[in-house]
Amino acid sequence: GQNIDQPTEMTATEGAIVQINCTYQTSGFNGLFWYQQHAGEAPTFLSYNVLDGLEEKGRFSSFLSRSKGYSYLLLKELQMKDSASYLCAVLRDNFNKFYFGSGTKLNVKP
Amino acid sequence: GAVVSQHPSWVICKSGTSVKIECRSLDFQATTMFWYRQFPKQSLMLMATSNEGSKATYEQGVEKDKFLINHASLTLSTLTVTSAHPEDSSFYICSARGVTGLTGELFFGEGSRLTVL
Repeated sequence: GQNIDQPTEMTATEGAIVQINCTYQTSGFNGLFWYQQHAGEAPTFLSYNVLDGLEEKGRFSSFLSRSKGYSYLLLKELQMKDSASYLCAVLRDNFNKFYFGSGTKLNVKP
Repeated sequence: GAVVSQHPSWVICKSGTSVKIECRSLDFQATTMFWYRQFPKQSLMLMATSNEGSKATYEQGVEKDKFLINHASLTLSTLTVTSAHPEDSSFYICSARGVTGLTGELFFGEGSRLTVL
């Protein structure tokens, strides 16, 4: 594939914080995205990073280190509805390629 | 936010028939559309990148004669699965990118679930 790696599955407790990591190896990098996908539905956009650093959006934050080929999605104050798959995706080649990682299935327990 | 409409949401067809899936950007002009296929419990696999007015660029292993992609206008791209077989049964999703190139304009359609009998 496109060398975008994520853990397959994670479990966390309601109210807690969870960090989902994504590593990638690519040339022509144009940005990294995080999406949430519930079973049987299309992905919904969560965040986008193109520069190094942290982007915060409510309970969700995303971090990028371009030199390390590394990103993470941080979910705070977990809710049961956050149980879903989380996909990182890399945009590359002058915006002409958009590849997804294998996704991380997050299980939130009471 | 921007809206991408995909139609049909569900389609069941007989083996050997062709199925056309439409992807429309409703409130912005999409210079680039990406077509994906997703099998159960797997991630989205990029099939092809479609730029308005030019031929689609297919990923390795995707048969261009089987999966015909047309991006005739800035608001419409179509994927036609020709001579569909049961192994083509999958969830097909399009994603559209806007004219200005702002990455925030990358949005997904609702997806089309194809079942080939």
